[in-house]
Amino acid sequence: TQLLEQSPQFLSIQEGENLTVYCNSSSVFSSLQWYRQEPGEGPVLLVTVVTGGEVKKLKRLTFQFGDARKDSSLHITAAQPGDTGLYLCAGDYDAGKSTFGDGTTLTVKP
Amino acid sequence: SAVISQKPSRDICQRGTSLTIQCQVDSQVTMMFWYRQQPGQSLTLIATANQGSEATYESGFVIDKFPISRPNLTFSTLTVSNMSPEDSSIYLCSVVLAIGYEQYFGPGTRLTVT
Repeated sequence: TQLLEQSPQFLSIQEGENLTVYCNSSSVFSSLQWYRQEPGEGPVLLVTVVTGGEVKKLKRLTFQFGDARKDSSLHITAAQPGDTGLYLCAGDYDAGKSTFGDGTTLTVKP
Repeated sequence: SAVISQKPSRDICQRGTSLTIQCQVDSQVTMMFWYRQQPGQSLTLIATANQGSEATYESGFVIDKFPISRPNLTFSTLTVSNMSPEDSSIYLCSVVLAIGYEQYFGPGTRLTVT
């Protein structure tokens, strides 16, 4: 199984600050997804990146896929309390199967 | 996209008993998966539910402990057998509409074993 390492594991910031979450692997993935999960719910897909070097923006969230398709980052600008949650990266490795990173628990304080 | 429901949403069970979790999708999907998410941790793939045949289990998971059925393209069940407190987790069903398409998750079943 290919491994994905996420960092940081926990992040607590004030409203309005910027942050970046990293997802790294020694393996190449055909695509990589970012999810956000709130307590008591399943993960909700935020974005899929497919092409090396790809950058996608979703309002205040910017996602980047590394040129070699081994790593990715999620940058949030001017974080808000509503961004609080568990952020997960996941890489596709075999016929629809995904391996997940350990997750980053983000807390944004008002 | 796909709308996925799971039953039950949560349960508290005694050790030694079994619980069957149902996953229903609002459309026919190519692939269905079962994941486990232990408290404060990420998701671990248990198995791929294959329509009309035996599930494909990941390393560390066996059919006797986690029997899975998938009688059609919209429904699957996962049974957690002979439960122990270590089985306390959130169990999540996910679907992929087709190879190369995105994965969607159900709301999860929160299981507590006492």
